[in-house]
Amino acid sequence: KAGVTQTPRYLIKTRGQQVTLSCSPISGHRSVSWYQQTPGQGLQFLFEYFSETQRNKGNFPGRFSGRQFSNSRSEMNVSTLELGDSALYLCASSLVLAGYGYTFGSGTRLTVV
Amino acid sequence: GDSVTQMEGPVTLSEEAFLTINCTYTATGYPSLFWYVQYPGEGLQLLLKATKADDKGSNKGFEATYRKETTSFHLEKGSVQVSDSAVYFCALSEDSGGSNYKLTFGKGTLLTVNP
Repeated sequence: KAGVTQTPRYLIKTRGQQVTLSCSPISGHRSVSWYQQTPGQGLQFLFEYFSETQRNKGNFPGRFSGRQFSNSRSEMNVSTLELGDSALYLCASSLVLAGYGYTFGSGTRLTVV
Repeated sequence: GDSVTQMEGPVTLSEEAFLTINCTYTATGYPSLFWYVQYPGEGLQLLLKATKADDKGSNKGFEATYRKETTSFHLEKGSVQVSDSAVYFCALSEDSGGSNYKLTFGKGTLLTVNP
């Protein structure tokens, strides 16, 4: 059974640019979440989607956005990149609810220079 | 809001030593509790979970018991191996109110096991 697949694994962008990260969940999983991991702030929740609807959103500026497609694949976009956006972005999928336990991908390492 | 507090470490042990990583939580409702592990350069892996009071989650020799009276979910292993070296995260989720559909994590504990 394939796991959660995130692409690309590594990305280097310049301040002011925008970036799109992709996540393919485990087959059958309809809930997809995104988290930002940094040494200073740890793991912070960005947003969660289920059946193409955003059900919850973390405390991030509007530059961070996401969407989910009908096949449950998800993308997140960060516009007008800042140096502080450098982080490991993790995608996780679950059957329905967080209580089932999330399966995480290996992440996309974004570096903003 | 929800929060998770865990000992930050780093924790350094010798092989076959006993491991305890403390975790306490604050939640408005009745959360599910998790331990995740992250190996270098990888994402998080679910290690174990418990969904109600007095439940014991266990996996790969690791155990944690959901203690509602002390709001704790301490991780233990009787005999650690070098391969257990990783960062361990305690987390909770509440499927109600504003905490729907997300995990709240502790800051992580770096464990290093020396041969």
